[in-house]
Amino acid sequence: DIQMTQSPSSLSASVGDRVTITCRASQDIGNDLGWYQQKPGKAPKRLISAASSLQNGVPSRFSGSGSGTEFTLTISSLQPEDFATYYCLQLNTFPRTFGQGTKVEIK
Amino acid sequence: EVQLVESGGGLVQPGGSLRLSCAASGFSFSIYSMNWVRQAPGKGLEWISYITSSGTTIYYGDSVKGRFTISRDNAENSLYLQMNSLTAEDTAVYYCARSVRGVPDYWGLGTLVTVSS
Repeated sequence: DIQMTQSPSSLSASVGDRVTITCRASQDIGNDLGWYQQKPGKAPKRLISAASSLQNGVPSRFSGSGSGTEFTLTISSLQPEDFATYYCLQLNTFPRTFGQGTKVEIK
Repeated sequence: EVQLVESGGGLVQPGGSLRLSCAASGFSFSIYSMNWVRQAPGKGLEWISYITSSGTTIYYGDSVKGRFTISRDNAENSLYLQMNSLTAEDTAVYYCARSVRGVPDYWGLGTLVTVSS
């Protein structure tokens, strides 16, 4: 199975900060990676697919990059509504595997 | 509007069984692959199963293989998860999620399964 290692597990940031979250795959997954945002008590929301393709309606402050084994989710200017937990998901092979999650908290 | 509504969760004793349902509406259910994903209390997301649109290809996560069975009824626009031999480690919110080109996009609100004596 492909292991997804996500870091950091949590971070504290202020509104307006630039935030970067990293996911590392245990083997080459090309660009078969998605990023999801989850707020407490809510279902996950898809932000990005194919490593860098922003979903319709997702603000442009979110961006994804990377390929192979190293991927990054960047929030260019953190907004109050962005405080949430973020997960990567590899979509290259079955079983699918999520990263452990990154909780973005208010500093 | 795409809607996915899970049901069937509840309290079950260790070793017991439960069948979850996911009612789909607002899209052509029969042409989409579907997933089940779960989340234990205070923990991260765990993908557990996938089924293609026709139901001919199915995958499971290692933690549920041999105990859980995914199925669908395209005539009823419904997805199912039969869960057997349940343990406390299966306690979680269970989500169904539609897949587009392999990527889960729309998710339901989830149904809570609690395994406890």
